[in-house]
Amino acid sequence: DGGITQSPKYLFRKEGQNVTLSCEQNLNHDAMYWYRQDPGQGLRLIYYSQIVNDFQKGDIAEGYSVSREKKESFPLTVTSAQKNPTAFYLCASSIDRGGVGQPQHFGDGTRLSIL
Amino acid sequence: AQKITQTQPGMFVQEKEAVTLDCTYDTSDQSYGLFWYKQPSSGEMIFLIYQGSYDEQNATEGRYSLNFQKARKSANLVISASQLGDSAMYFCAMREVFTGFQKLVFGTGTRLLVSP
Repeated sequence: DGGITQSPKYLFRKEGQNVTLSCEQNLNHDAMYWYRQDPGQGLRLIYYSQIVNDFQKGDIAEGYSVSREKKESFPLTVTSAQKNPTAFYLCASSIDRGGVGQPQHFGDGTRLSIL
Repeated sequence: AQKITQTQPGMFVQEKEAVTLDCTYDTSDQSYGLFWYKQPSSGEMIFLIYQGSYDEQNATEGRYSLNFQKARKSANLVISASQLGDSAMYFCAMREVFTGFQKLVFGTGTRLLVSP
């Protein structure tokens, strides 16, 4: 089945440690996105990528980094510079062409907590 | 900047009844898209329905319909014949066109609880 796979489902980070969240899609979508969701809040955009080897900062990129070496993969690294990383992280993808009507499709998310 | 407002933090409905979840938006763009997503307690975001700003008819998808009032800048989701499985968070989002990249702006969501 086509879809977006995020791993791991749960992740724990120690102080001063970098951690990487995986996101893989087999939908052949061009665009991929990372969102952060805090309790009782909507989603906020961290980074996005429209094509391979290119990505842009979203609204809350500080303390995060990404790479897009393959079309199907868009890993997110939460660095030690992110002082409040505890949140639910969602990866999404979309065709991103043909007007405003293309929905973004989401993975199941990764819940990150501080040890 | 575009903005989405969902004023109902929580809604209760009895099984088999209809419920309306409110969404208002603010944009100066003429071309935009409005989306509704469902987020069950498991966390994944499920796309429900889409309405384009130039669509003349309200969107419908099964038990979901969108009450789109462009002049009032509202895009309310109507769920007919509620089911227990409809209990979830519901997010309204707008597609923002920004230098060729189409960004989704989300509201803060409404938690719907369907009771037997």
